Amino acid sequence: AQSVTQLGSHVSVSEGALVLLRCNYSSSVPPYLFWYVQYPNQGLQLLLKYTSAATLVKGINGFEAEFKKSETSFHLTKPSAHMSDAAEYFCAVSGYGGATNKLIFGTGTLLAVQP
Amino acid sequence: GAGVSQSPSNKVTEKGKDVELRCDPISGHTALYWYRQSLGQGLEFLIYFQGNSAPDKSGLPSDRFSAERTGGSVSTLTIQRTQQEDSAVYLCASSLVAQVQETQYFGPGTRLLVL
Repeated sequence: AQSVTQLGSHVSVSEGALVLLRCNYSSSVPPYLFWYVQYPNQGLQLLLKYTSAATLVKGINGFEAEFKKSETSFHLTKPSAHMSDAAEYFCAVSGYGGATNKLIFGTGTLLAVQP
Repeated sequence: GAGVSQSPSNKVTEKGKDVELRCDPISGHTALYWYRQSLGQGLEFLIYFQGNSAPDKSGLPSDRFSAERTGGSVSTLTIQRTQQEDSAVYLCASSLVAQVQETQYFGPGTRLLVL
């Protein structure tokens, strides 16, 4: 089974609208979850991470995510989309399947922001 | 200081040739990771180094792939006898230490095209 699943490979929102990008994780996954953003032809940049300190995690650029154990979810949200948010977003987990710190990524969600 | 750098940024090679990809991690980071990003497979872990040793090389797809790290700094990923399926973006990341909650900082990647 996938350790992390991102629902929706493409999401389109209007500028100013709520952004919601979904990530569900396997219940056997330890609580080290990350959201990364990738702009065209660039590497990955960390938006935020959950390491069990607080269930609501605030990140850069106005993004936040809430760790919900009961729903095995770690969805990424932003209240108001900006054109500059158009990018691909990856949910990832580390520590899955043993004492390893490699990142296992979801398949990514491409966010389009319409004017 | 400077971020993770990778060279070359683009590489075009012919099937059967060997290629070397280089990664310069953030100064002082003891852990270094290689990932591959391709259309068919998404983002995949290849190998990681703690210092100069590689505790986890489980993601290397075949014995044509090898990597080394010298002086606890620069790393080289070598692909021998390249195949068309090796075409991908190769991403390098580094972290301060090799722990599951540590942030991995990514370089811009090397885009490899095998003709």
